[in-house]
Parts: sequence; structure tokens; C-alpha cells
Amino acid sequence: EADIYQTPRYLVIGTGKKITLECSQTMGHDKMYWYQQDPGMELHLIHYSYGVNSTEKGDLSSESTVSRIRTEHFPLTLESARPSHTSQYLCASSGTTEGFGNYGYTFGSGTRLTVV
Amino acid sequence: QKEVEQDPGPLSVPEGAIVSLNCTYSNSAFQYFMWYRQYSRKGPELLMYTYSSGNKEDGRFTAQVDKSSKYISLFIRDSQPSDSATYLCAMSAGSNYQLIWGAGTKLIIKP
Repeated sequence: EADIYQTPRYLVIGTGKKITLECSQTMGHDKMYWYQQDPGMELHLIHYSYGVNSTEKGDLSSESTVSRIRTEHFPLTLESARPSHTSQYLCASSGTTEGFGNYGYTFGSGTRLTVV
Repeated sequence: QKEVEQDPGPLSVPEGAIVSLNCTYSNSAFQYFMWYRQYSRKGPELLMYTYSSGNKEDGRFTAQVDKSSKYISLFIRDSQPSDSATYLCAMSAGSNYQLIWGAGTKLIIKP
């Protein structure tokens, strides 16, 4: 079944720790995205990739980094976690979908990160 | 001012009612309009997609775009408790542009 997987679902970590949030998709989509979502707020794009070895920063200033070595894998890394990084992180991918053009985004279930 | 405005709710209606969810926007270049549904502790899922103006119907859901008023709507007929979720609108000026999201409206359907 085509899907997108994020791990871990929940993470509580101390300030200063390095963390990597994992995201993998099985649909062969070239485009992948990382969004940050806080309660009552719109999704903010923090990183995106249009293919292997291609990564760009989004609109939201972020201290995280991403890599895209394989089509299916798009991990996000925080070198030194801070309480201000506490949020929900959503990974998504998109491809051309009948009826939805280029806007058939498929989202993972998210990683809820708490930095203490 | 945000490019896309959406009332956060919550909007609480009885089962079987017709629900109207709305977004306004300021960028006249937006051509592609989407509605996503997000259940608690899940990622958003695409519900409806409309290009330019007009209506689109899919089962109990109707998406409407009024570009002259910069206003989009999602109507849900015969609402069910399973429709309880947060509904996010999203829009884009084209394939070279990222999606711009509304903050979402929380909808509660009471049995």
C-alpha cells in the first residue's frame, strides 16, 4: 500500500541533544516536504526537495537541516534541540495525481516533538 | 496580514446539518484551491481540489471558488459525526509556487 511513514510518533528530549526525524514514502514521489504545525496555526514549510540531492529551505526560518540521498527518504535533523523547537513536524510528498493535478499531497501522521 | 484567512472555530452543528466552511485570500494570483481534512493525531488528507473558479462536487462534499470575491467554500451535506475534524484550505499560484495554508477550522458534529 502506498504510504508515507514518520518515526518516531512522539519524542521528548533534553535541550542540546541532536535528533533526526525520519520520513519515508513508498509512492516514488519526487517532491517531498517538511512542515511545522502548531495548534491553531497554519502549516509552515521549513524544507522541501524536488528530487535526489536537491533540497531548499522554506518560508519558516529553521535551525534544522535535511538530506535527500534516496527518492524515498527525507530525514530532518536538529543539531541542538531547544524548547522553541517544541512542535508537531509533518512530512509530505506529492506527485501528479488524476483529479488533483500536482497538489495531491500525502502526509505522514507527524512527529510530536517536546524539548525540555 | 495573512494571505489566507480561516476562522478557527470550533464550529459545532447537529448531525445531518449542512456545514459551510470558508476561507478568504488576498493574492489574486492564486489559481489552485484545495481542502484538506485532518483528524486528531493524524496528518492532513486531501478532500477536494479545484482549478480556477466554479463548483466541484464529490459525494456529500461541494467545493466552491469565487475569485471575484477572493472567497472559497466547502459545503458538507448530511453531516456525520465522522466528519468531525479540522478542515484546512490551501491554495497556490501554480506549480512553481508553494501551497499557502489557512489555519484550519475545527468542526464538531454532534450525534
